[in-house]
Amino acid sequence: GNSVTQMEGPVTLSEEAFLTINCTYTATGYPSLFWYVQYPGEGLQLLLKATKADDKGSNKGFEATYRKETTSFHLEKGSVQVSDSAVYFCALSSYGNNRLAFGKGNQVVVIP
Amino acid sequence: NAGVTQTPKFQVLKTGQSMTLQCAQDMNHNSMYWYRQDPGMGLRLIYYSASEGTTDKGEVPNGYNVSRLNKREFSLRLESAAPSQTSVYFCASSNSFINEKLFFGSGTQLSVL
Repeated sequence: GNSVTQMEGPVTLSEEAFLTINCTYTATGYPSLFWYVQYPGEGLQLLLKATKADDKGSNKGFEATYRKETTSFHLEKGSVQVSDSAVYFCALSSYGNNRLAFGKGNQVVVIP
Repeated sequence: NAGVTQTPKFQVLKTGQSMTLQCAQDMNHNSMYWYRQDPGMGLRLIYYSASEGTTDKGEVPNGYNVSRLNKREFSLRLESAAPSQTSVYFCASSNSFINEKLFFGSGTQLSVL
């Protein structure tokens, strides 16, 4: 079945540091890949997505590239701000599979 | 724009009590979902409704029932609450069932004592 694996543990970093959150997936067929972000006290909202291999999704300075050869969709941002503190979820969906599979999420804390 | 509205935001129940979580969306979306979020577990799908008039089980449906009242509203009912149902519940909607952006409500924090 479809599944998403995110790196373990929270991520704490200083303002203006480089952020990477790893995401790998297992899926049948050709999934679409997503990153969702959850700010404190709020529901999830879509950050970016990619629908086919080699596509790059980007939004608000975040980027992720759909790598079929390594089954990965790592999230990156070159210079984080305190306002980027949130929980980030990787997710996938695939045609014929009626469930959006989420990873466990990573708490990101940016310190001034 | 209201988007997806959930009520209540907080609720405390005693074991064995029942309650209904309400969800409504004003985006004319066809599909609606109920998730629960638990620490270290991510989001798990409880039930979904691909279109008005249909509902199906997700990963963790036991102890829950749902009703797709109309295109706008999708409620989640706990008939006899248990401490294991302490969680944060999110309703979501999307325009189509697959490969589409989900819009989430702000969640209901439920504690069962």
